[in-house]
Amino acid sequence: EVQLVESGGGLVQPGRSLRLSCEAPGFTVDDYAVHWVRQGSGKGLEWVSGIFWKSGGTGYADSVKGRFIISRDNAKKSLYLQMNSLRAEDTALYYCVYEGVPGGADYWGQGILVTVSS
Amino acid sequence: DAVMTQSPLSLPVTLGQPASISCRSSQSLEDSYGNTYLNWLQQRPGQSPRRLIYKVSNRDSGVPDRFSGSGSGTDFTLKISRVEAEDVGVYYCMQGTRWPYTFGQGTKLEIK
Repeated sequence: EVQLVESGGGLVQPGRSLRLSCEAPGFTVDDYAVHWVRQGSGKGLEWVSGIFWKSGGTGYADSVKGRFIISRDNAKKSLYLQMNSLRAEDTALYYCVYEGVPGGADYWGQGILVTVSS
Repeated sequence: DAVMTQSPLSLPVTLGQPASISCRSSQSLEDSYGNTYLNWLQQRPGQSPRRLIYKVSNRDSGVPDRFSGSGSGTDFTLKISRVEAEDVGVYYCMQGTRWPYTFGQGTKLEIK
């Protein structure tokens, strides 16, 4: 079974940066995409960003466009999210999500908490 | 963006009874190849979401056969034939046909 392990979260002041990482050593890199999805406390799920393994094509939610940068390392089967100019409203549990089929949210990490507060 | 609307948002169910959740998209989720990427996720209390159904009606490995998905175009349904205690949690529909992927608001299933 594919296990996703996230790291890099924590408490950060507004305006500062943070970098999230997600590793999946048991995963087979394919043509599909990987994503970051977040969930505010007691709230629903929000897609943040996605990237295709092979082409590197990316997409971002309007709420993070221009501030967050998604990247991947195919050899390490790892996904990253560089979060800049953080705001209080970015506070959430961030999940990495790997597709095993197109358009599918097959594998989810355990979630990593990001808290933006002064 | 495809707006996903679920109903009901709260679903109290008696053990052993059926349950049904509706999900409607603001635009068709069928792509130009005839594929419809509609997923159903389950999030138990304190856990990460877990996918139950992909491409409208395909059950993931290990998902009990009391869960079934159906629908097409813009209207989709998740059915549980007989609710068990372990089914308590929040259920989300999620479209993966086009970016940005979008989710329904979630339906909280509880036992009466």
